[in-house]
Amino acid sequence: NAGVTQTPKFQVLKTGQSMTLQCAQDMNHNSMYWYRQDPGMGLRLIYYSASEGTTDKGEVPNGYNVSRLNKREFSLRLESAAPSQTSVYFCASSEDTQGFRNTEAFFGQGTRLTVV
Amino acid sequence: GENVEQHPSTLSVQEGDSAVIKCTYSDSASNYFPWYKQELGKGPQLIIDIRSNVGEKKDQRIAVTLNKTAKHFSLHITETQPEDSAVYFCAASRPMDTGRRALTFGSGTRLQVQP
Repeated sequence: NAGVTQTPKFQVLKTGQSMTLQCAQDMNHNSMYWYRQDPGMGLRLIYYSASEGTTDKGEVPNGYNVSRLNKREFSLRLESAAPSQTSVYFCASSEDTQGFRNTEAFFGQGTRLTVV
Repeated sequence: GENVEQHPSTLSVQEGDSAVIKCTYSDSASNYFPWYKQELGKGPQLIIDIRSNVGEKKDQRIAVTLNKTAKHFSLHITETQPEDSAVYFCAASRPMDTGRRALTFGSGTRLQVQP
């Protein structure tokens, strides 16, 4: 039982390049999230998916796209990377079955992305 | 949307002392308040949470208090140990059936426990 797995762990991109961050969870969770973490700013929500086939913008969605491929996988794509997207990216998941109270969010280990 | 403020940003205590971290939130509809601990190079991990129908919750050396009227909640760690050194985040979220349910995080507190 691996929990939430993110790949890659580290990545360096040149400005304008594109890439996709992968995330998979094996806990049969309904909800999945992408956050970015910057010094002194906590974790800010980029996009989230409440269930397979649905996605919604979070606090800082500009420059990103997401895809909920199936219940297990939620990917984050940077179409044209910018230095402002240098950050640590975390994927998370939670059970959040409709009708139940909010439940614990489990986080992956993070992807450290540098855009030069 | 929700706004969560967290203080202090850094906290240094002696081993055995208590540590208190405070958060305020803006959305009166929020009803779930977890605390996460993040160790270096790892993702955040839940250490305790509280829901709006209770005022206090304890788990061994860790306790969380919630004041709904004032819209603030606090994390209390007693008898601190060096392994408590980490970054702690508070968070808040709305009920399941009221639109966005994702957690909104505070900016974090770096706790250092001096041996």
